Amino acid sequence: AAGVIQSPRHLIKEKRETATLKCYPIPRHDTVYWYQQGPGQDPQFLISFYEKMQSDKGSIPDRFSAQQFSDYHSELNMSSLELGDSALYFCASSFSVWGYGYTFGSGTRLTVV
Amino acid sequence: DAKTTQPNSMESNEEEPVHLPCNHSTISGTDYIHWYRQLPSQGPEYVIHGLTSNVNNRMASLAIAEDRKSSTLILHRATLRDAAVYYCILISPRRTGANNLFFGTGTRLTVIP
Repeated sequence: AAGVIQSPRHLIKEKRETATLKCYPIPRHDTVYWYQQGPGQDPQFLISFYEKMQSDKGSIPDRFSAQQFSDYHSELNMSSLELGDSALYFCASSFSVWGYGYTFGSGTRLTVV
Repeated sequence: DAKTTQPNSMESNEEEPVHLPCNHSTISGTDYIHWYRQLPSQGPEYVIHGLTSNVNNRMASLAIAEDRKSSTLILHRATLRDAAVYYCILISPRRTGANNLFFGTGTRLTVIP
């Protein structure tokens, strides 16, 4: 079965550079969520999209932005990278119709050096 | 969203049942109880969810207290593959839009061979 696809799997960037993470949800899922998980931490909600519109914002820095495109894939753009941005970034997708679980991707490991 | 409280860690012997508790004394009438788990270096994985009645699926069972102030995730026969961090999350679904998952501090389950 198709899963949530994230790319790239690993990314190394220098401080002050920019990074773009991509997420391809499960077909027909209309909602996408982004999470950040630092070393030894629990996943922190960043932002969500429903039907290509931003739904909610969590603890997402102003240096980060995201959008969901017409084909429902989503991109997380991160600028002026800091060492503290090094983390695993997960994307999840779901149906907005209640009763279904959420499916997470395998994540993108971002290392800022 | 209402808060949940889980033990930081638990141990179980392989092939024995495991009962993972979760307290949610401030749960509201519309909150669903979701369980996710995160295996090392992987994205979170949906396990089970319920509202009032006990639920069973191929992965686990969910026992919900009559007053809904606590619940227990039951793994009937723990395997080494069940070693993970288990998260109990409450969600009150919206009629439209994203229903965001907020991860607290879960229970790290260690399975002893």
